[in-house]
Amino acid sequence: AQSVAQPEDQVNVAEGNPLTVKCTYSVSGNPYLFWYVQYPNRGLQFLLKYITGDNLVKGSYGFEAEFNKSQTSFHLKKPSALVSDSALYFCAVRDPASHRGGYQKVTFGTGTKLQVIP
Amino acid sequence: DADVTQTPRNRITKTGKRIMLECSQTKGHDRMYWYRQDPGLGLQLIYYSFDVKDINKGEISDGYSVSRQAQAKFSLSLESAIPNQTALYFCATSDLTTDTQYFGPGTRLTVL
Repeated sequence: AQSVAQPEDQVNVAEGNPLTVKCTYSVSGNPYLFWYVQYPNRGLQFLLKYITGDNLVKGSYGFEAEFNKSQTSFHLKKPSALVSDSALYFCAVRDPASHRGGYQKVTFGTGTKLQVIP
Repeated sequence: DADVTQTPRNRITKTGKRIMLECSQTKGHDRMYWYRQDPGLGLQLIYYSFDVKDINKGEISDGYSVSRQAQAKFSLSLESAIPNQTALYFCATSDLTTDTQYFGPGTRLTVL
């Protein structure tokens, strides 16, 4: 069974400092990996995804994520945090090997609250 | 978010009442989903639909039902609401060629 873990409930970082939000996964095949962001009173918004190719994926709002197959990780990063980056971040994984009637289930992590301190 | 709309945005109801949450999308996607979000649990899939005639149960479908009235509309019903169905409910869509899901703004449901 596939799973995804976000080991930190909350991450605090000073404005202007680099940030990292951690994600590890477990799948039987090669994973499709996603990051979504949720601002207060809003739905989740897509940030970036890894399907194949370059291990470093660039996404919206200056975010990037690095796929590390040996460590089964897909950490979200940004070189310089902004106060407006404060939000809830979700990692998600899809296992192409989990075919079921054409739907390959997407499993979401429990979310990490990012707090950027001015 | 404007491409996927949900009504109502907030609802307070009593145990035993029937509740319907509605979702509409203008993205032209065939695939639609209903999730619930609980603090510390992430998103759990309730139902999903690949087209008007294809509806499937997700991880936590007990106590819920859905209706796909058209490609653009997917409603979620709680036939007899109970307090542990108090949660934030999200509708989402995706197309056939990408894996990206597009979420509505959510409905906050409270069952007293």
